[in-house]
Amino acid sequence: AQTVTQSQPEMSVQEAETVTLSCTYDTSESNYYLFWYKQPPSRQMILVIRQEAYKQQNATENRFSVNFQKAAKSFSLKISDSQLGDTAMYFCARGAGNTPLVFGKGTRLSVIA
Amino acid sequence: EAQVTQNPRYLITVTGKKLTVTCSQNMNHEYMSWYRQDPGLGLRQIYYSMNVEVTDKGDVPEGYKVSRKEKRNFPLILESPSPNQTSLYFCASRISGTYEQYFGPGTRLTVT
Repeated sequence: AQTVTQSQPEMSVQEAETVTLSCTYDTSESNYYLFWYKQPPSRQMILVIRQEAYKQQNATENRFSVNFQKAAKSFSLKISDSQLGDTAMYFCARGAGNTPLVFGKGTRLSVIA
Repeated sequence: EAQVTQNPRYLITVTGKKLTVTCSQNMNHEYMSWYRQDPGLGLRQIYYSMNVEVTDKGDVPEGYKVSRKEKRNFPLILESPSPNQTSLYFCASRISGTYEQYFGPGTRLTVT
């Protein structure tokens, strides 16, 4: 089965600092999409950022940016100026073909005041 | 407001008592799916549907049924729930050809 791997089960960061969450994936598709979802304590799944594989430019959304390394099949999320509200579980996901999204197991991020 | 709704949000039931979790979306999305979330395992797909009357198994379909009689609705049926189906369940929908999913608020199911 094609997989998405998040190697860091838990991470912590000081408020206002920068943190990077790692994600690797595999796929045989030439065109695919990658996502980071945030799940705060409310349990709602919130889309943070998306990246289309055919785009070379790394996606950015305010304090969130990705480092997309296509050849290495790596898709890390960088959170700058971390805020207490960033405390959440973060999931990396990959979509390809006509199949459902495949999710990683998640990274629990704690932002410390 | 564009949304995916699930009901109930919380459910405690006993082994063997049939239950249905409803899911509805108002965005005219073709694609709908069900996931379960368990600690340390992330989200795993149970079933998905690419359109009305078209459903297929995901990674963990055992013990679940679904139906897609209308585009907007995609109920999840547990004919004989067991304790190992205690989990957090999410319904999601998206437009075919895109992968950006819209998630429901989740249903916390406990089977005793």
